[in-house]
Amino acid sequence: GAVVSQHPSRVICKSGTSVKIECRSLDFQATTMFWYRQFPKQSLMLMATSNEGSKATYEQGVEKDKFLINHASLTLSTLTVTSAHPEDSSFYICSASLWQVNSYEQYFGPGTRLTVT
Amino acid sequence: DQQVKQNSPSLSVQEGRISILNCDYTNSMFDYFLWYKKYPAEGPTFLISISSIKDKNEDGRFTVFLNKSAKHLSLHIVPSQPGDSAVYFCAALKGGSYIPTFGRGTSLIVHP
Repeated sequence: GAVVSQHPSRVICKSGTSVKIECRSLDFQATTMFWYRQFPKQSLMLMATSNEGSKATYEQGVEKDKFLINHASLTLSTLTVTSAHPEDSSFYICSASLWQVNSYEQYFGPGTRLTVT
Repeated sequence: DQQVKQNSPSLSVQEGRISILNCDYTNSMFDYFLWYKKYPAEGPTFLISISSIKDKNEDGRFTVFLNKSAKHLSLHIVPSQPGDSAVYFCAALKGGSYIPTFGRGTSLIVHP
């Protein structure tokens, strides 16, 4: 299947700083990328949907000024957590969707563990 | 309001037996369904999908069944292997939408 990478896989930052997470689709062009957050023992929570070249669409309750999403190309989307707080500590996962003939697939990155101290 | 429900948070199955993971949905606009497998601290891995024009799709040990009238789908894993132990997520898409709705997941444990 297609491959989606995330970088970094793990990051520790101090409260008040900003952190950028990159998501790349390595072998296909992804028109749409998604950012999820997973809390312990909970399902994936969709944060936002981003389409290349346009503004991201944020889910209700997700602060767009805090979680900046940029989808500058068909293979790269970035999530920047600004002015991070300890409660932002979580596992962030990106994914990219791919429509093929008669099928839809969504491939996920390996995730990024963010710890804010 | 959960539109995609996985009512069993966990399932334990003996190696070699069949694992059946269930998923119910409430929105009749959903017409495409996907199953993902997730290990701890990793991103989900796509397993198998099914369009609403079908009632069955098979890929190796994995088969997904769709019952549209009951708004129910299930993932069968035969035979189950210890490496199948993971959390399985069901997801649904509305026609023309790129945004799947995920269930809460079912944790499958396959014991020897």
